[in-house]
Amino acid sequence: DAGVIQSPRHEVTEMGQEVTLRCKPISGHNSLFWYRQTMMRGLELLIYFNNNVPIDDSGMPEDRFSAKMPNASFSTLKIQPSEPRDSAVYFCASIPGRGYNEQFFGPGTRLTVL
Amino acid sequence: SQQGEEDPQALSIQEGENATMNCSYKTSINNLQWYRQNSGRGLVHLILIRSNEREKHSGRLRVTLDTSKKSSSLLITASRAADTASYFCATASTYGGSQGNLIFGKGTKLSVKP
Repeated sequence: DAGVIQSPRHEVTEMGQEVTLRCKPISGHNSLFWYRQTMMRGLELLIYFNNNVPIDDSGMPEDRFSAKMPNASFSTLKIQPSEPRDSAVYFCASIPGRGYNEQFFGPGTRLTVL
Repeated sequence: SQQGEEDPQALSIQEGENATMNCSYKTSINNLQWYRQNSGRGLVHLILIRSNEREKHSGRLRVTLDTSKKSSSLLITASRAADTASYFCATASTYGGSQGNLIFGKGTKLSVKP
């Protein structure tokens, strides 16, 4: 199995632009998590899907952030418009089932907003 | 606020020495997990200890859990230069309703000098 796949690996954009991050979870996993990692705040959960349905989006910072999971094999995290403070590494993780299992992380997308 | 807090924030040792990292948390948990992150990479699951377990081993890793003190420790024995990484504890809380969510600490940065 290829593991969790994220694209792009690096993204540099200018303030005000729309950014879309993509994630393909491990086949057969039906829960997916989006995290953001910064030096100041550490690793923060943004949103959690189970069977393509958002279960907990309380970590989404503001309305500029949105996430979708149109099917079991694909999810997107969109930032519109982007701001310099959104610069971070964004991780996607997946687990089989819904429960307190170990999470399988993707390699992350390093986002820089100028 | 962060559920898990690691201590120390940074640790530098010589190859062959043991490394001990501690984690404290605040609410009741279903399990506690330790993850490793190499620079520029995603997190990799190391070990999971359930709330009714007190100690667990995996290779050179030993994890203890004291639920009365709400703390855990990760011991890496006979460290190697390749163990250089950041180590995170993550708690699966039973507080609240979001099953499957993990809350991560800010990590301990371990440097093992050859």
